[in-house]
Amino acid sequence: GAVVSQHPSWVICKSGTSVKIECRSLDFQATTMFWYRQFPKQSLMLMATSNEGSKATYEQGVEKDKFLINHASLTLSTLTVTSAHPEDSSFYICSARLGAGDSNQPQHFGDGTRLSIL
Amino acid sequence: KQEVTQIPAALSVPEGENLVLNCSFTDSAIYNLQWFRQDPGKGLTSLLLIQSSQREQTSGRLNASLDKSSGRSTLYIAASQPGDSATYLCAPCYNFNKFYFGSGTKLNVKP
Repeated sequence: GAVVSQHPSWVICKSGTSVKIECRSLDFQATTMFWYRQFPKQSLMLMATSNEGSKATYEQGVEKDKFLINHASLTLSTLTVTSAHPEDSSFYICSARLGAGDSNQPQHFGDGTRLSIL
Repeated sequence: KQEVTQIPAALSVPEGENLVLNCSFTDSAIYNLQWFRQDPGKGLTSLLLIQSSQREQTSGRLNASLDKSSGRSTLYIAASQPGDSATYLCAPCYNFNKFYFGSGTKLNVKP
């Protein structure tokens, strides 16, 4: 149980393209989803937290107009990297959790999306 | 600012050894702490979750301990196997479910 699916797993595109990444909870309803970014040989950094039906909360230093997050249903959140540039190349991972706010439920992670911008 | 340090950064051992991976965090006001495994180019697999009120958790050959007041957690791996080779990440969780990840310990278990 508690499977999180991320799509696509790998995407390569030209600079200036907008890229959408999907995160789905397959067998549970995810009230809260999280988006992380991992640069090579670095640890994961939280980008934003999204609760179903409300606006995402972005971490300091993350541009909300650059990284658009939509969490319109309890099983799907999307991250759109707008006008992507080479410096946006990274490994993006989502996680999903049952329960909102200060819940103590574990987070379940997707397999990640490797984004390469040429 | 929460900082998470994992020691050692890398570890290479022969198969069968018992291992100790260390994690320390600067802010002890955690809600829980999770240990994850990450295979190259892959996402995360949750190994163990310890609530802030607990001292340890066990799953198979894995045992994680937590000393919240001193900001430390340890992951013990018994009888290591080549399939255990991966990067192990420690992540204390704070209010509103914010995880702060360490840089990980890259483990290589040689057959």
